[in-house]
Amino acid sequence: GQNIDQPTEMTATEGAIVQINCTYQTSGFNGLFWYQQHAGEAPTFLSYNVLDGLEEKGRFSSFLSRSKGYSYLLLKELQMKDSASYLCAVRDLYNFNKFYFGSGTKLNVKP
Amino acid sequence: DSGVTQTPKHLITATGQRVTLRCSPRSGDLSVYWYQQSLDQGLQFLIQYYNGEERAKGNILERFSAQQFPDLHSELNLSSLELGDSALYFCASSLTGGMDEQYFGPGTRLTVT
Repeated sequence: GQNIDQPTEMTATEGAIVQINCTYQTSGFNGLFWYQQHAGEAPTFLSYNVLDGLEEKGRFSSFLSRSKGYSYLLLKELQMKDSASYLCAVRDLYNFNKFYFGSGTKLNVKP
Repeated sequence: DSGVTQTPKHLITATGQRVTLRCSPRSGDLSVYWYQQSLDQGLQFLIQYYNGEERAKGNILERFSAQQFPDLHSELNLSSLELGDSALYFCASSLTGGMDEQYFGPGTRLTVT
């Protein structure tokens, strides 16, 4: 199998910036994906990275370093509605193009 | 509203039974994904189809099967159900099935008693 590691839980203040890290080990990297999931709801796709570097999308950015097996999701100008779980997933080209998910990081945004 | 529909919303059935979950992708999307989410296992990728063909395979048990029909809707069949199959089953769709945004349906909550 593959190892996808994320912190279990994080707390940050409204208006601040938070970085959620994800490390992975995979034999055939074919993209890294970030999802947001509010409690009791379906996941929402946030971003994907295939090449090294930063992908920016409004208040959210995602970074990838393939050589280090490392990604992070950066959330700026935090809002209360950003309180959710954030899931990191890696696609493995050598294993039926399967998605491997981390356990998710629960982000608590406090006033 | 993502544009992806799933039926039914809730399903309660007994062990040993068989059920079919249905998914209609967003208009124009060619690829469908199935995921299972349980409290102890997190989100697990089951299988992906693109334009009727299997594109990727994940942790799908032999008791489970899926297909995508010519009109692009998909069905996930779960048979010989066990208590541990109780979970939320999500369907997602995307345009190309590659590096593109996936849109998730609201999910089907399956309870096996």
